[in-house]
Amino acid sequence: DQQVKQNSPSLSVQEGRISILNCDYTNSMFDYFLWYKKYPAEGPTFLISISSIKDKNEDGRFTVFLNKSAKHLSLHIVPSQPGDSAVYFCAASVSSSSGSARQLTFGSGTQLTVLP
Amino acid sequence: EAGVAQSPRYKIIEKRQSVAFWCNPISGHATLYWYQQILGQGPKLLIQFQNNGVVDDSQLPKDRFSAERLKGVDSTLKIQPAKLEDSAVYLCASSLNWRGEQFFGPGTRLTVL
Repeated sequence: DQQVKQNSPSLSVQEGRISILNCDYTNSMFDYFLWYKKYPAEGPTFLISISSIKDKNEDGRFTVFLNKSAKHLSLHIVPSQPGDSAVYFCAASVSSSSGSARQLTFGSGTQLTVLP
Repeated sequence: EAGVAQSPRYKIIEKRQSVAFWCNPISGHATLYWYQQILGQGPKLLIQFQNNGVVDDSQLPKDRFSAERLKGVDSTLKIQPAKLEDSAVYLCASSLNWRGEQFFGPGTRLTVL
């Protein structure tokens, strides 16, 4: 049962335009959401996050939007640059019942290609 | 600041053989994670350590996988015996504490023939 879904395996965008990556989740207990970026032969690197008490978080060219009623979040990159070409993973987490662990559940990723 | 180190970077073995992966987390990070990433999927948590104690190993196939974190620093993940479906990238991550941002290592790509 995939609790976090990224339905678009790939996305191509022209340099300077907006990239919108989407993510859906099913577990209403998720209270924290993250986006990671991954280049080939490297581990994922943290990009931006949002708590379930917010609906928007912005960091430079990156903005994450959360729609809890739709169980949907999106990552906007404006303007897109060729260096943004990578695989983007959406992740969601919920604290464990013991309050000592925060397990991340990842989506399957979207390959973003920014064309010069 | 040095990142999370993992070795080896690549490993090819035959099924039923055993293999071990090593991880050195960022200095001072109390929480360490092992993930399995199968091609075309996102990383899946196998086990989480807090210092040298196991916090969550609910998704670790304990009949063949084992992990330890000696002295609360380095960690090893072992597979014995390996199956074809174990072919994946094994990622190690660490965080300052269980709430903190996770920093990932480059991973070990395992191919089981």
